[in-house]
Amino acid sequence: GEEVAQTPKHLVRGEGQKAKLYCAPIKGHSYVFWYQQVLKNEFKFLISFQNENVFDETGMPKERFSAKCLPNSPCSLEIQATKLEDSAVYFCASSHAPGAAANYGYTFGSGTRLTVV
Amino acid sequence: DQQVKQNSPSLSVQEGRISILNCDYTNSMFDYFLWYKKYPAEGPTFLISISSIKDKNEDGRFTVFLNKSAKHLSLHIVPSQPGDSAVYFCAASTGNQFYFGTGTSLTVIP
Repeated sequence: GEEVAQTPKHLVRGEGQKAKLYCAPIKGHSYVFWYQQVLKNEFKFLISFQNENVFDETGMPKERFSAKCLPNSPCSLEIQATKLEDSAVYFCASSHAPGAAANYGYTFGSGTRLTVV
Repeated sequence: DQQVKQNSPSLSVQEGRISILNCDYTNSMFDYFLWYKKYPAEGPTFLISISSIKDKNEDGRFTVFLNKSAKHLSLHIVPSQPGDSAVYFCAASTGNQFYFGTGTSLTVIP
């Protein structure tokens, strides 16, 4: 499709529960990016994929967070044992290539709002 | 440490006047700069970009200026319209990922 589809739109989890977020990139885009938007509008880069391979994971917390992009499946971001500070909006974006993104920007999904209570 | 900073959280401008949104950065290795616009409950949408080898890029009512020596870029919107009311994020790229500022909320008053 022509939009990045993120599901669910809202997710509420009790502290310690698992959360799993999904992202279907635009067809033909081979790069997928995950960002976490916390309070005060700050976007934090988490991880990027080139097809099913991790491209850059320098922003990914080593504990509790994992992500995958498997062929013929939506990409996923999973948080094990959620904590209150994981509450944020998680955005997925896709592009043809990092270089193309520099000229035309990523295409972002509308985000998943995770609330940990 | 925040590599891209937007020091003005909000800006109000009268319809028809110019809106100027500012952004500062610290990393001299950034090679592309972009502006995104975001409405509530939506993802950011790409607005305009500029390469580090240029100092100006214009697209309709939107112009981005880059001052590399000052590590500063700005977005000019003229004339401003009520539909421009949104949060504007600047972003800078090293090639692999983008670093975002914290956003400036623009309100265009009819």
